[in-house]
Order: sequence, then C-alpha cells, then structure tokens
Amino acid sequence: AQSVTQLGSHVSVSEGALVLLRCNYSSSVPPYLFWYVQYPNQGLQLLLKYTSAATLVKGINGFEAEFKKSETSFHLTKPSAHMSDAAEYFCAVSDRSFQKLVFGTGTRLLVSP
Amino acid sequence: EPEVTQTPSHQVTQMGQEVILRCVPISNHLYFYWYRQILGQKVEFLVSFYNNEISEKSEIFDDQFSVERPDGSNFTLKIRSTKLEDSAMYFCAATAGGPADTQYFGPGTRLTVL
Repeated sequence: AQSVTQLGSHVSVSEGALVLLRCNYSSSVPPYLFWYVQYPNQGLQLLLKYTSAATLVKGINGFEAEFKKSETSFHLTKPSAHMSDAAEYFCAVSDRSFQKLVFGTGTRLLVSP
Repeated sequence: EPEVTQTPSHQVTQMGQEVILRCVPISNHLYFYWYRQILGQKVEFLVSFYNNEISEKSEIFDDQFSVERPDGSNFTLKIRSTKLEDSAMYFCAATAGGPADTQYFGPGTRLTVL
C-alpha cells in the first residue's frame, strides 16, 4: 500500500527566503507523485507531478520538486517565497490502478514580510 | 479553463438525515472520485467511479454511502443517514483517464451534521 509522510505541519519563512517542504513516500510499485496546494476556502490545485520522466519537475508559480528514488523523497522547493505562497501544501502518491490518490497530512506554509 | 463545480458549497443537516452532494465534472473526463477532509486532518479517498460503476472504495465508504452519475453530467454522493462524524469537506475530482493524468478537484462542499 502507498503512503506519504510530510514532515512539519507548519513551515514559516520570510518573504524572499527559500521554501522547502518535505515529502517522503512509500510505494510497492514505481510511484506517481503529486504536489497540490490549497488556498483558504478553496479546492486543491495541482502544482506539479512526477510520472517517471525527468526526475526534476517544474510546476506552476516557480515551484519545483525532485524525485529521489534512493531517498524515497519528493521534496518541494521554491527559491524565493512570496506572500501569495501562504497556503496548505499536500503531497500525494498514486497507486496507478484507478489513480486513487493517497495524501499526506499537509504542510501549512506561512510567509512573513 | 473548464472547472469541476460542486453544489452546495455548505450544507447543514440534522443527524440521521439524508444528504446529496453534487458535482459537475469537466465534460471529457471519464474517471470520477470523491474525497473527504475532516477539519484539521488529511484528505482521504472515498470512492472512484468509472463506466457507471464503482472502481474502488475505501473502508470509509460503507453502506450509508452511494454514488451515481444520473444524467451523464452530474456525479453525486449520497449519505443515507448522516452521523456527526460525517462532518467534513467533501471534494469531487475528475480525470480524463490514464494513471498519470491530473485529477482536477472541485472547490468542495462543507457538510456540517448537527
């Protein structure tokens, strides 16, 4: 069975600082991995996804993530945080059968001026 | 850009009552999902639906839950007799198909059971 662990329920950064949100996965098959963002009172929006092509994946809003099989990780980064990045971020893994997504517990990103 | 829509945005109901949550997926999408998020917890898979039948369901999706696509556009989740613990945000998602395809999520319905 697939699972995802997100370290840190809250991450605080200053505007302009590096953003690093951690995600480790467990999967019995080569995984498909996703990062979703949830702004207050909104649904989930896809940031980026890994589907076994390039291991460094670029997404929207300047975010990127690197798939590291040896570390079973798919950490999300952004070189310079913006106030508008404040949101909840969810890492998810797909089981590839009927695409059920298994989500992590989420990380709330707080950005201070 | 096409969007997945959900109605209502917020539903308040009494324990034991039936509720129907509605979703309108993107028109060319073939696979449909319901997820829920209890306040402060992670998003959990409930059920997937393809070709007018359930593909997979979680342990949460017991006999009190049902899904259907009654008219080829709407996708509904029915809870027959709501419990307090059903209070959550319910998200509909849809994809055109294929294991790597993006799931597009609706904005959610907040269900409050009193």
